[in-house]
Amino acid sequence: QLQLQESGPGLVKPSETLSLTCTVSGGSISSSSYYWGWIRQPPGKGLEWIGSIYYSGSTYYNPSLKSRVTISVDTSKNQFSLKLSSVTAADTAVYYCARRNYYDSSMDVWGQGTTVTVSS
Amino acid sequence: QSALTQPASVSGSPGQSITISCTGTSSDVGSYNLVSWYQQHPGKAPKLMIYEGSKRPSGVSNRFSGSKSGNTASLTISGLQAEDEADYYCCSYAGSSTPVVFGGGTKLTVL
Repeated sequence: QLQLQESGPGLVKPSETLSLTCTVSGGSISSSSYYWGWIRQPPGKGLEWIGSIYYSGSTYYNPSLKSRVTISVDTSKNQFSLKLSSVTAADTAVYYCARRNYYDSSMDVWGQGTTVTVSS
Repeated sequence: QSALTQPASVSGSPGQSITISCTGTSSDVGSYNLVSWYQQHPGKAPKLMIYEGSKRPSGVSNRFSGSKSGNTASLTISGLQAEDEADYYCCSYAGSSTPVVFGGGTKLTVL
């Protein structure tokens, strides 16, 4: 059974770079049938798609975050990562990683989420 | 890319049916039959309930159904149960450059 697990610092200072990793277990990140992505949810608010990556390295980003986001994949470790630069308090959120189906675009497997707070 | 529009809240009594709408544009919901719906209980990760507009993943109750007309997708929950009380989000494919757009979410209260 495929599982995703987010990891990374829970506290980031303003203007610094937020870095998170999602470890995929029970399946291969190199499957041609899936994208791997990040979604966030600010406290009390809705879901916001951040971006996705294909195992080949092709990336797709939310235009509103594109200038600050980098998503990368490490197939040897079965992991993919998120970097969000120049963070502010508005980036405080629960960050989820998820698997997105290549064919129907649905996100069928999610990590449990990790809370990241931006504060000095 | 603008978010899809959902009502902020809906409510219903046990046993009743409710419908949650999700309005997009001809660039997302209207152009692709790739709308998915997610259920989220407090403090939990979202769970896929409907994909490709009307298909249910294995294990999802047949009380959940989806449909689409023009630029609006809908999620219907029949035979409401207390456990259905949660937030629901729609999501649509919106093209290769911005493939994912979410709705703002709808809070379902079971009275």
